[in-house]
Amino acid sequence: AQSVTQLDSHVSVSEGTPVLLRCNYSSSYSPSLFWYVQHPNKGLQLLLKYTSAATLVKGINGFEAEFKKSETSFHLTKPSAHMSDAAEYFCVVSEDTGGFKTIFGAGTRLFVKA
Amino acid sequence: GAGVSQSPRYKVAKRGQDVALRCDPISGHVSLFWYQQALGQGPEFLTYFQNEAQLDKSGLPSDRFFAERPEGSVSTLKIQRTQQEDSAVYLCASSLTGGLGNTIYFGEGSWLTVV
Repeated sequence: AQSVTQLDSHVSVSEGTPVLLRCNYSSSYSPSLFWYVQHPNKGLQLLLKYTSAATLVKGINGFEAEFKKSETSFHLTKPSAHMSDAAEYFCVVSEDTGGFKTIFGAGTRLFVKA
Repeated sequence: GAGVSQSPRYKVAKRGQDVALRCDPISGHVSLFWYQQALGQGPEFLTYFQNEAQLDKSGLPSDRFFAERPEGSVSTLKIQRTQQEDSAVYLCASSLTGGLGNTIYFGEGSWLTVV
């Protein structure tokens, strides 16, 4: 069975400092992993995805994530936070078990201070 | 269309009323998903279609929830005899194929409030 744990419900950083949003997953199969961002009253937007190619994945807006199978982690990072990064971030695992279930983490709210 | 379109965007229903939520996926997308997002929580999977076939409905919370996609394009999520705990944002999403790792594109959601 698949599951996703986002280790922090809230993260607060100052503008210009690094961002780290942590995600651990469990999956019985070789999963695909995604990070989505949700701005208030907006739809979910894909930041990046891992699909068994390179373990370091680069996404939009300067975000990247590293798939570490030994640690079952897929943490999201950005070298320098911008005010516009303030939003809710979701780590997502998807596996094909004959069906096609996609499981979201509970989300991490990122606050960016000026 | 350019993106996934959902209607209505906002719906207030009286307890016991039936509601229908519509989803127009991106043209040509084979896979369609419905999710329920309660306030302050992550989206929870409800059901999945590949073309007109409903391949997974394990996330539907009760038999009051029903989804269909009769022609493999537009989908409708129906909730019968709504209850207050049904209040949530209902998200529709689509992807080009059913292949693992395909990007899933989300609509902006239908906000349902049951009073």
